[in-house]
Amino acid sequence: KAGVTQTPRYLIKTRGQQVTLSCSPISGHRSVSWYQQTPGQGLQFLFEYFSETQRNKGNFPGRFSGRQFSNSRSEMNVSTLELGDSALYLCASSRTMDNTEAFFGQGTRLTVV
Amino acid sequence: EDQVTQSPEALRLQEGESSSLNCSYTVSGLRGLFWYRQDPGKGPEFLFTLYSAGEEKEKERLKATLTKKESFLHITAPKPEDSATYLCAVSSSGGSYIPTFGRGTSLIVHP
Repeated sequence: KAGVTQTPRYLIKTRGQQVTLSCSPISGHRSVSWYQQTPGQGLQFLFEYFSETQRNKGNFPGRFSGRQFSNSRSEMNVSTLELGDSALYLCASSRTMDNTEAFFGQGTRLTVV
Repeated sequence: EDQVTQSPEALRLQEGESSSLNCSYTVSGLRGLFWYRQDPGKGPEFLFTLYSAGEEKEKERLKATLTKKESFLHITAPKPEDSATYLCAVSSSGGSYIPTFGRGTSLIVHP
C-alpha cells in the first residue's frame, strides 16, 4: 500500500516569506502529526490532527499553523520565515488515535536563505 | 515530563560484530515504546512498538527488549546496510498520545 506522501521534497525560501507543506496520509489513517527535525534539537512535535480537529500542539510560535481536510490530507503553513526555520519537516500518520504505530513520510527539506 | 535518553550517540561496528543500543526513559506511565530507523535525508521507518516490561520483538537482525526503565535494541551480526540512525520514543498514559523522541544513536557498520 502507498505510504505517507509529502510534497514538495525540497524548498528554498527567502526570510520573511511564507510556505505551505502538504501531507497525504496512508489510506484509512485519520491521525496526522507534524514534526520538525534539526541536527541541534532532534525531532520536535509541532501539532497533531485527528478527524479535522487539532488535538495537540507543540511549543512552537503562532507562525506555525496547520489544518486537516475531510480526506485526512493535511497542510502546515509557516509565515514570516526565519533562518532558524530551516529543517526537515516530517509528517506521520496513524490509523488509531493512540498513535501506537505511526508511519512517517520522507519529509520536506526547507532551507531559508 | 517524559524523557528519553539514548546511548551511545554514535557507534561504529565491523560487519558481523553484534552490539546493543540503549534507550532509557522516564514516563508517568508507559503507553508504548517505539523504535524507528532513519536513513540520512529520509523519514523515520517504523520498527517496533513495545508495551510492557519483559516484552520482546524481532525483525531480521534486530531484537528489541523492554524493562521498566529502559529498552535495548540488539543487533546481531550487522551488515553495512544496517547503518542508520536508530530513534527511540515513548508515549505515556498520563498525557497526550504524542511520543517523545530521543536524540538517536548513529550506527555505522563497516564491511
